[in-house]
Amino acid sequence: EAGVAQSPRYKIIEKRQSVAFWCNPISGHATLYWYQQILGQGPKLLIQFQNNGVVDDSQLPKDRFSAERLKGVDSTLKIQPAKLEDSAVYLCASSLATGVLWYGYTFGSGTRLTVV
Amino acid sequence: AQTVTQSQPEMSVQEAETVTLSCTYDTSENNYYLFWYKQPPSRQMILVIRQEAYKQQNATENRFSVNFQKAAKSFSLKISDSQLGDTAMYFCAFRHGGSQGNLIFGKGTKLSVKP
Repeated sequence: EAGVAQSPRYKIIEKRQSVAFWCNPISGHATLYWYQQILGQGPKLLIQFQNNGVVDDSQLPKDRFSAERLKGVDSTLKIQPAKLEDSAVYLCASSLATGVLWYGYTFGSGTRLTVV
Repeated sequence: AQTVTQSQPEMSVQEAETVTLSCTYDTSENNYYLFWYKQPPSRQMILVIRQEAYKQQNATENRFSVNFQKAAKSFSLKISDSQLGDTAMYFCAFRHGGSQGNLIFGKGTKLSVKP
């Protein structure tokens, strides 16, 4: 099966600019996650979608970050305006769940954002 | 809230030898999953091994095995016959049980396998 696709792979922007990342999950995976991984740390959840609804966005800095998952498939994550501390790798993952069963995660290769 | 702690920022091992990476976690739940992920420079998170908390038997995947101590909340990863391709960041992660849930990661251990 095709993996989780993310683009772009790299992005360099100046502070106060805006940026958007795109994720295409594995076909049929209802749950989609965006993680932020700052250099030297483990990934931290930003937002979790179930189909096109938000399950958890408690750690999303909503004053500058936004995310959507139209039609319950692709998702975009936007930062506006960017700050220096937003420099990180942004990972997208998807998973399949039916009822109470859950089958694991698949991660994309991430987007490395550098804010200068 | 659940937390995951990896106390070894960096480790190294000679090729063909065995290395153990440590992980402890904190939770009040009884039903959960634990994972070890490998992250090479390509950045993609690759699942190494998975353990369901209700299973007493330690998970094993080829050269990779875990020592799961539920009472001690410890979940260490043993890599046997280390290979150069094992060089990567290794993350321990926790997920609570059920169909909804996200991964909580530790800070990672950078493993270097030396020829």
